[in-house]
Amino acid sequence: DTGVSQDPRHKITKRGQNVTFRCDPISEHNRLYWYRQTLGQGPEFLTYFQNEAQLEKSRLLSDRFSAERPKGSFSTLEIQRTEQGDSAMYLCASTGPLSSYNSPLHFGNGTRLTVT
Amino acid sequence: DQQVKQNSPSLSVQEGRISILNCDYTNSMFDYFLWYKKYPAEGPTFLISISSIKDKNEDGRFTVFLNKSAKHLSLHIVPSQPGDSAVYFCAASMGSVGGAQKLVFGQGTRLTINP
Repeated sequence: DTGVSQDPRHKITKRGQNVTFRCDPISEHNRLYWYRQTLGQGPEFLTYFQNEAQLEKSRLLSDRFSAERPKGSFSTLEIQRTEQGDSAMYLCASTGPLSSYNSPLHFGNGTRLTVT
Repeated sequence: DQQVKQNSPSLSVQEGRISILNCDYTNSMFDYFLWYKKYPAEGPTFLISISSIKDKNEDGRFTVFLNKSAKHLSLHIVPSQPGDSAVYFCAASMGSVGGAQKLVFGQGTRLTINP
């Protein structure tokens, strides 16, 4: 297993377009997280899934954002009608089963989104 | 509101010496703290963690200290090596129900180890 995989690595889009990112977590991990990182800041929590259930969403996640994890494996994050303020690094992370309390998050290398 | 703060954006240390990175937090409900390391074009990598029931945790060259009364933690790296040059993020979480890792990160400190 090579870790958390994110695709694409880079995405440039025009304002108003829709974009979708994919995350493949470590295979035995049942919890999956999305974070966003802007320049000069640390990652900020967006949402997380336990298996296929989306259990929490940050208020940072506006109505234009939607995340899914249909079969409890890979996840997608879609941004509709992109705005320049959406430009950021979108990071996906996963962690182990419930019994592994406080097992650390394993991050992917992120998708860098640039909205022009 | 910045609940986790790393007040030093950058730090430069001579190879072989000790690097000390600092982090302050404001929320007394945080009960678990972590340090992540990030190289350019890569995601953050977990380094070391500490539970609020402890005041020190050590792993090889890395030691994390927690001072709950001061709401302060620090990461010590000794001896510092050129490969330690990276951005270091402090993170905190609270609410151990279900072990949800909704981490709150600091802004990061860029550590440069000079030969």
